[in-house]
Amino acid sequence: GAGVSQSPSNKVTEKGKDVELRCDPISGHTALYWYRQSLGQGLEFLIYFQGNSAPDKSGLPSDRFSAERTGGSVSTLTIQRTQQEDSAVYLCASSSGLEQYFGPGTRLTVT
Amino acid sequence: GQNIDQPTEMTATEGAIVQINCTYQTSGFNGLFWYQQHAGEAPTFLSYNVLDGLEEKGRFSSFLSRSKGYSYLLLKELQMKDSASYLCAVLLDSNYQLIWGAGTKLIIKP
Repeated sequence: GAGVSQSPSNKVTEKGKDVELRCDPISGHTALYWYRQSLGQGLEFLIYFQGNSAPDKSGLPSDRFSAERTGGSVSTLTIQRTQQEDSAVYLCASSSGLEQYFGPGTRLTVT
Repeated sequence: GQNIDQPTEMTATEGAIVQINCTYQTSGFNGLFWYQQHAGEAPTFLSYNVLDGLEEKGRFSSFLSRSKGYSYLLLKELQMKDSASYLCAVLLDSNYQLIWGAGTKLIIKP
């Protein structure tokens, strides 16, 4: 069956531009997570969705970051006015229990 | 604060055994996960321990001691394809929030 998919796989953007990252979770998974992974660092939790609501946004680094989920399925992570420190791999995961299934990630490079 | 420690890098020989340690200090505990991540790919689930002891799954085993805040992942009969990063993560009491270690890069040599 289809796993978690993310698009784009790579994104290069200029500092100050807005970017939108997309995640398609596994069908039927009610929980969805966004993480950020920088080189040599552990996964950094950004936000958690249960259905369409986000009970925990505590990991979003600043108000330039926002995320939404519609129809209990697709989620988008938006970064406004990108900065060079936003460069990282952004991973999405979904779950129906404790085990999280990850997508391949979006590699974001801010020049 | 939350803290998870793993060695940054380990090297082992094909066919041998390697043990990757993980120590944790977290505000809550609802289980510990090990994930494997090949370079440029998504992490994939290996194991989940919530009770003390050893869980064996084929060539991979995972051990947990809650009183010591310690876990290890044991890989036997190493194969070249086992070259990857191994991530330790603790599930907090919230039942959804995972705190991740930085990962251990395992290099397998012929």
